[in-house]
Amino acid sequence: NAGVMQNPRHLVRRRGQEARLRCSPMKGHSHVYWYRQLPEEGLKFMVYLQKENIIDESGMPKERFSAEFPKEGPSILRIQQVVRGDSAAYFCASSPEGHEQYFGPGTRLTVT
Amino acid sequence: SQELEQSPQSLIVQEGKNLTINCTSSKTLYGLYWYKQKYGEGLIFLMMLQKGGEEKSHEKITAKLDEKKQQSSLHITASQPSHAGIYLCGADISNNDMRFGAGTRLTVKP
Repeated sequence: NAGVMQNPRHLVRRRGQEARLRCSPMKGHSHVYWYRQLPEEGLKFMVYLQKENIIDESGMPKERFSAEFPKEGPSILRIQQVVRGDSAAYFCASSPEGHEQYFGPGTRLTVT
Repeated sequence: SQELEQSPQSLIVQEGKNLTINCTSSKTLYGLYWYKQKYGEGLIFLMMLQKGGEEKSHEKITAKLDEKKQQSSLHITASQPSHAGIYLCGADISNNDMRFGAGTRLTVKP
């Protein structure tokens, strides 16, 4: 059973471009969480999704950021019109029932 | 991606009892984070430790990082039902490379 997969591992975008980060949960997991790594807190919660539904997006910036977890395929975190302040590592975690979270290796986004 | 050894995997304690959860790595940790998971919620940040020998407390929860910065413990004093949940350690093992433990499920019996 493969672990949580994230791709790409590293992503470079110019200011104004769009960034798409993918998260493939573990087999059988229908819950996905997205986090952003911050210097003093480690992980900062962004959004919690179940298949085709956003359950909690209280940590998502109101503009430019969106997330989806379609019936088929990976979960996608989309950042439109990226700015330098978006540069960070983004982690996703999957869970079978909303309890234990299993983390992916992260995607490091660099905005130039 | 879970390369930190966290123990125990689960823990059942009577309300009022003290408990300790450990997080161990074979590599030097540059930052050690403790989180709590609740069902259907994102991680709740508890504490961050960076310096060898550092100790931090918040209410009844104390976390320590050993001098070698390879092991951390989370100690709860006089546990309460509200402490129940899954505790997760995470750590920076190199420049911006983060790893996680497998979590410890804590049950507190009233």
